[in-house]
Amino acid sequence: EAGVTQFPSHSVIEKGQTVTLRCDPISGHDNLYWYRRVMGKEIKFLLHFVKESKQDESGMPNNRFLAERTGGTYSTLKVQPAELEDSGVYFCASSQAGSRETQYFGPGTRLLVL
Amino acid sequence: AQSVSQHNHHVILSEAASLELGCNYSYGGTVNLFWYVQYPGQHLQLLLKYFSGDPLVKGIKGFEAEFIKSKFSFNLRKPSVQWSDTAEYFCAVLRSSGSARQLTFGSGTQLTVLP
Repeated sequence: EAGVTQFPSHSVIEKGQTVTLRCDPISGHDNLYWYRRVMGKEIKFLLHFVKESKQDESGMPNNRFLAERTGGTYSTLKVQPAELEDSGVYFCASSQAGSRETQYFGPGTRLLVL
Repeated sequence: AQSVSQHNHHVILSEAASLELGCNYSYGGTVNLFWYVQYPGQHLQLLLKYFSGDPLVKGIKGFEAEFIKSKFSFNLRKPSVQWSDTAEYFCAVLRSSGSARQLTFGSGTQLTVLP
């Protein structure tokens, strides 16, 4: 069974540019999450999808971040325009529906904003 | 607000030494706890989890953790570490509100095992 995949693995952009990160969850997983780790700090929650619906986006830093999950399959996270403080590792995770779910993580996308 | 504290930021051990990594949480709801590990160059992997029942949880690669409700702790242990256990370890608590879910992580503990 394929795990959670993320693309790209690395991205280097200049301040003010736009970047789109993609996450493909494990097949059949309704729940999809985005997390971020900035400069070696804690891994922080960004948002949670159930199928195509945003269930909780309380962790999104500001309106420069836009997440979508078209058709309840893969998800994209767009940062527009990117700022220096957006640099970090963006993780995606997915889980099956249920109260005792385990979240399985992807390898992350390392974003560097110059 | 929920939080997770990992007091050891960097631990250095020799092979065969015993390991205990501390994790304390603050959360008012039903407690679901996890330990994840990130080996160099790899993605986060689940080591073990606690939802209910026996507070002593056994995970992969010989790791175990004990949930002590009175101490709000979920410490990770391994009786004898190997060089291959060098990694960063994260404790996390799952927050649930209706169908919304999110993990709150500790700051991580970098474990270095010397050969």
